[in-house]
Amino acid sequence: SQQGEEDPQALSIQEGENATMNCSYKTSINNLQWYRQNSGRGLVHLILIRSNEREKHSGRLRVTLDTSKKSSSLLITASRAADTASYFCATANTGGFKTIFGAGTRLFVKA
Amino acid sequence: EPEVTQTPSHQVTQMGQEVILRCVPISNHLYFYWYRQILGQKVEFLVSFYNNEISEKSEIFDDQFSVERPDGSNFTLKIRSTKLEDSAMYFCASSELGGAGPQHFGDGTRLSIL
Repeated sequence: SQQGEEDPQALSIQEGENATMNCSYKTSINNLQWYRQNSGRGLVHLILIRSNEREKHSGRLRVTLDTSKKSSSLLITASRAADTASYFCATANTGGFKTIFGAGTRLFVKA
Repeated sequence: EPEVTQTPSHQVTQMGQEVILRCVPISNHLYFYWYRQILGQKVEFLVSFYNNEISEKSEIFDDQFSVERPDGSNFTLKIRSTKLEDSAMYFCASSELGGAGPQHFGDGTRLSIL
């Protein structure tokens, strides 16, 4: 089954450090997306990278995609306490109607 | 900025009762989704809806579940006879581009089955 799985499961860093989260998936994709979830809230879309793209930037976020390894990484640079949240990667099936989320990485940024 | 709204924020129901969770997607979006998240676990896909019909559903979405878009603005999830294991956060999402674009999520309904 198509599935995004992140590692690490949890990450604790100091404010100002960079945080890197990885995601692996199993089948062909059209795009891969990263979402953020603050405790008790809905998911917020961060960034989408298409299968023909290798890297994408948005503010302090950098996403890479390696389709040969079926993996992606999300880098948050110069982290802030407000970045504390869970981060999920998500992939859609070929028709685009079914989105599978990974188990997520829980990031804790200490002030 | 337009947002997806869900009501109620918390629903407590006796086992075996029917429950309806309500969502108002973003007005120009055409693709609608329901997900659930059991406490501390991953977000699980339930169903997608496009052009007034179910596009795809997961194994979780059995005969106890149904979705409806009763008018031009609401999108509902009905659970006919709730079980203890239905206790979870239920999220509605909508999208302008379907799988080709981002989904916008509501803040969820926490469903507690007693």
